[in-house]
Amino acid sequence: DAGVIQSPRHEVTEMGQEVTLRCKPISGHNSLFWYRQTMMRGLELLIYFNNNVPIDDSGMPEDRFSAKMPNASFSTLKIQPSEPRDSAVYFCASSPGYSGGAPPDTQYFGPGTRLTVL
Amino acid sequence: GENVEQHPSTLSVQEGDSAVIKCTYSDSASNYFPWYKQELGKRPQLIIDIRSNVGEKKDQRIAVTLNKTAKHFSLHITETQPEDSAVYFCAASNSNTGKLIFGQGTTLQVKP
Repeated sequence: DAGVIQSPRHEVTEMGQEVTLRCKPISGHNSLFWYRQTMMRGLELLIYFNNNVPIDDSGMPEDRFSAKMPNASFSTLKIQPSEPRDSAVYFCASSPGYSGGAPPDTQYFGPGTRLTVL
Repeated sequence: GENVEQHPSTLSVQEGDSAVIKCTYSDSASNYFPWYKQELGKRPQLIIDIRSNVGEKKDQRIAVTLNKTAKHFSLHITETQPEDSAVYFCAASNSNTGKLIFGQGTTLQVKP
């Protein structure tokens, strides 16, 4: 089992540049979550998908952030334009599946992408 | 809105002693409570979880208790070892939203 895969592992970019983070969930998992972790704000949920459909994007900080899940095995988180305050570790997590009314499922985290915006 | 408070923010214990971390949650519909351990530079990893139909769960040296009436749950680590040193996060989720709300984290240091 390969686990959740994220790329790149590290990204250094300059303010104003576009940044794209990628995630491959565990095969067979139907729910995917994007988190941001900083010392100041801890672990924040940005957006999550169920069966490739965005369910809750209330954590997305602003319009510069966007996320897509074109198929069950791939998701992207894009920041355009990037700013220094976007510097953080971005985690992707997946779970077997969430169906309204059913107990939530365990989430498994990827290794994260450490983003530095200069 | 949904909120999870975690205490203490830092905890230092001597090897062999017990450690207890406590969390309270605001959403009474929460029914799933996982605990994650995060070592420096690594991903959060699930160490134990509990669902609302049980009050206690144990796995070797770690245990979690849940008090739904008071809306709080706790992590207990016995016979602590230096490799237990890490940041521990509690979280709460409910079947209406499916999303985890995390506590602020507790940095545990186990001194040899």
